Amino acid sequence: QKEVEQNSGPLSVPEGAIASLNCTYSDRGSQSFFWYRQYSGKSPELIMFIYSNGDKEDGRFTAQLNKASQYVSLLIRDSQPSDSATYLCAVNINNKLIFGTGTRLQVFP
Amino acid sequence: GAGVSQSPRYKVAKRGQDVALRCDPISGHVSLFWYQQALGQGPEFLTYFQNEAQLDKSGLPSDRFFAERPEGSVSTLKIQRTQQEDSAVYLCASSFQGVGTGGVYGYTFGSGTRLTVV
Repeated sequence: QKEVEQNSGPLSVPEGAIASLNCTYSDRGSQSFFWYRQYSGKSPELIMFIYSNGDKEDGRFTAQLNKASQYVSLLIRDSQPSDSATYLCAVNINNKLIFGTGTRLQVFP
Repeated sequence: GAGVSQSPRYKVAKRGQDVALRCDPISGHVSLFWYQQALGQGPEFLTYFQNEAQLDKSGLPSDRFFAERPEGSVSTLKIQRTQQEDSAVYLCASSFQGVGTGGVYGYTFGSGTRLTVV
């Protein structure tokens, strides 16, 4: 079992829809969780981090964490074509970020 | 500097050649991390430093890989006797936090070095 798992996609959604990206992790002791966005040929950029169970909202983005289920998700409301990218889930395991393989999101007009 | 700077941006090496990749982190950032990203994959952890101390090198794939950060600022990742499977983007990231502080506020990544071994 990989430490951080994501569906590789692609996830295709129409412009204006809600995109839902999911991630599971194996280490129950993990305390901090991150979502990065990576455009093709570019480096990852941090979108959000979350530490506590529940929801955390930042503009069109909402991160959700459920430690009991070892599950973290990212919702993108009012999706735009410019949101088309790979979204990487990362989990702090033993003082370093471990990344999933990423989910490719395609937002079509 | 304003961001994490990596050089060279692209490197083509002949199989068996040694290469050195440089990372200049954000000024004052305590922690520095190296990752390897193969095409279509997420970044894979290689090693990290807190100041000049290399605290974890568990991700280095073989003894051909070596990293250093002698003065706690600039870091170099060296790959000896490169092989085709070493072809990847090598990402450096830095964080103002020291590791083990109970929380990590995420890293800032550099633009990466794309290494192609032919």
